[in-house]
Amino acid sequence: EDQVTQSPEALRLQEGESSSLNCSYTVSGLRGLFWYRQDPGKGPEFLFTLYSAGEEKEKERLKATLTKKESFLHITAPKPEDSATYLCAVQEYQAGTALIFGKGTTLSVSS
Amino acid sequence: NAGVTQTPKFRVLKTGQSMTLLCAQDMNHEYMYWYRQDPGMGLRLIHYSVGEGTTAKGEVPDGYNVSRLKKQNFLLGLESAAPSQTSVYFCASSYPYSSGVGKAFFGQGTRLTVV
Repeated sequence: EDQVTQSPEALRLQEGESSSLNCSYTVSGLRGLFWYRQDPGKGPEFLFTLYSAGEEKEKERLKATLTKKESFLHITAPKPEDSATYLCAVQEYQAGTALIFGKGTTLSVSS
Repeated sequence: NAGVTQTPKFRVLKTGQSMTLLCAQDMNHEYMYWYRQDPGMGLRLIHYSVGEGTTAKGEVPDGYNVSRLKKQNFLLGLESAAPSQTSVYFCASSYPYSSGVGKAFFGQGTRLTVV
C-alpha cells in the first residue's frame, strides 16, 4: 500500500488554464510534506515544505496547501515552462530522516 | 554553486561487473541518501547516512553497498550488477530534519544500464 499517492498521473493544460495537483498521504505522524519539480534528465528541484494543516506557500504561479490527509499544488495561469513532473514527498517522525515519494504528476502545458 | 555532484553521469555495465557511484556535496550536510528512479515506481530509497561513518538500509537495499568515509562523500557500490539494477540513481543531501531545514538537495543523476 502506497503511503503517498499523487493524482492525476498526467495532466495536459492549455496556457492560462488553471488546475490543481493532488497528493494524499497515509503516514501516521507527519514531520513535513515536500513538493519538488523534476525536468526530464534532471534531478528533483525543491519547491515547498509544509509542516502543519492549514499552511500555505506560494511561489510565482504555484501555491501549495496542506490538510491532515492531503496536499494540493495549485497552478494558476500556467505557462509552457511550467511543464515538468511534480513530485510530492513526506517525512515521518517514526521512519527516521528519509523522504517517502509519490510517483509524481507529469504536467504538460501547451501554448 | 556545485551543490550535489554525481559521477559518472552515464554508465553501461555487463551483468556481473562491479562499479561505484560517487556523490559529493559541498553544503556541509549531515545526511546523505541514495535513491533509484524507475518508470512507474517513483523514487525509492536504497541506503542513507546520518553522519560520517554511519549508514542504514532503505526500502530497496539488496544488491547495493554504501560507505560514508568522509562527511562530504557518499559512495554507492554494485558488487555484481544485474539487469534489474538498470535505473537512474540520484544522490541527495540535507540537514537533519529536526533542525527545521530538512529539505533535500538532489544531484543530476546517474543513468545506469546493465546488459
